[in-house]
Amino acid sequence: NSKVIQTPRYLVKGQGQKAKMRCIPEKGHPVVFWYQQNKNNEFKFLINFQNQEVLQQIDMTEKRFSAECPSNSPCSLEIQSSEAGDSALYLCASSLQGTQYFGPGTRLLVL
Amino acid sequence: GQGVEQPAKLMSVEGTFARVNCTYSTSGFNGLSWYQQREGQAPVFLSYVVLDGLKDSGHFSTFLSRSNGYSYLLLTELQIKDSASYLCAVRPDSGYNKLTFGKGTVLLVSP
Repeated sequence: NSKVIQTPRYLVKGQGQKAKMRCIPEKGHPVVFWYQQNKNNEFKFLINFQNQEVLQQIDMTEKRFSAECPSNSPCSLEIQSSEAGDSALYLCASSLQGTQYFGPGTRLLVL
Repeated sequence: GQGVEQPAKLMSVEGTFARVNCTYSTSGFNGLSWYQQREGQAPVFLSYVVLDGLKDSGHFSTFLSRSNGYSYLLLTELQIKDSASYLCAVRPDSGYNKLTFGKGTVLLVSP
């Protein structure tokens, strides 16, 4: 039921490498969220945008991630220097009226 | 403490029903969502509730009691394909704020 598009579906990186993933939100949804879901199924909120502006982000995201949501281009989330603990499913969601709809996710494996 | 709690596992039989419970304690409440998530896939939106009472959506129904910080997802006429993880997520604040997720309840439907 979701029309959120995420690429790539799988990403394998070595420690210290950059890892970049993209998200195209559902048309008409003004807000985009990024979450990290670890192997224990725990969700960690990373950052959200309304149009091109950051609404909220956690400390880790501010220090180690680079994220943007430019107009007329996909949103992106990039880990500047990957660590083994970054291996997880990265979920993008777009939101309309409080409900969040998720994309298929990018599964990152950091070797 | 603050958070969303769900039982880790639930087992039921094809053709019967299953009730997935969720209790929450958050700084605020502006709605609760239920998602279905299969192994390695993204959460699929099922229902959003903000008012007390039962919301019947056919195969899935949801109940909310804000005074008790409690919700459940009821699946009727279970099929084997209903076997999945069911996630409860609370929206603590108004506006476009992050969801607080439970860890999910893995439902196993047996023949």
